[in-house]
Amino acid sequence: ETGVTQSPTHLIKTRGQQVTLRCSSQSGHNTVSWYQQALGQGPQFIFQYYREEENGRGNFPPRFSGLQFPNYSSELNVNALELDDSALYLCASWPVGANVLTFGAGSRLTVL
Amino acid sequence: AQSVTQLDSQVPVFEEAPVELRCNYSSSVSVYLFWYVQYPNQGLQLLLKYLSGSTLVKGINGFEAEFNKSQTSFHLRKPSVHISDTAEYFCAVIGNTGGFKTIFGAGTRLFVKA
Repeated sequence: ETGVTQSPTHLIKTRGQQVTLRCSSQSGHNTVSWYQQALGQGPQFIFQYYREEENGRGNFPPRFSGLQFPNYSSELNVNALELDDSALYLCASWPVGANVLTFGAGSRLTVL
Repeated sequence: AQSVTQLDSQVPVFEEAPVELRCNYSSSVSVYLFWYVQYPNQGLQLLLKYLSGSTLVKGINGFEAEFNKSQTSFHLRKPSVHISDTAEYFCAVIGNTGGFKTIFGAGTRLFVKA
């Protein structure tokens, strides 16, 4: 149990649909990052939020967006789903000043 | 910008044998280095980290890694592996200049055979 909880654990969508993935971090973990892990690959950085503002973004299109809330929860939204969006999506959080990510178990998205 | 190369995609080894998983990184700034483990259908768990100080870092489950700045390497070792060590291992780097993203390698699949 890492203290970072993600939901749903699994979901199936079809091309063109929209999806929202959720993450609940530990109290005091005011920085959250989202990663995409395709099958057989390492996690790829999507974006990071600090105090409800996006403060870093990887090489992902604008249809990947996020929100962070004051209660240490966050969301990843993906619009216009494509087959290549099928992956494990990982949320990670940490308190300010730390450099170690605490990961959730992930949400596995399958796009048909 | 930082990058990470894990030199072996798969490492098969017999139980109780030693193992080394290799990791090289590139960076124009000083870095922090990490090894994470991922068991099937789970998220990533931190094994160990190098932030500063001693270049030999000990982690959980009997793993250790050595930071070699001249060779830009951070290889992971364990003197005697168990079946339960079978998992995917990821080397990761973050710049220590206030950079915001952790860069992961592609992973090494450690398969421990009886």
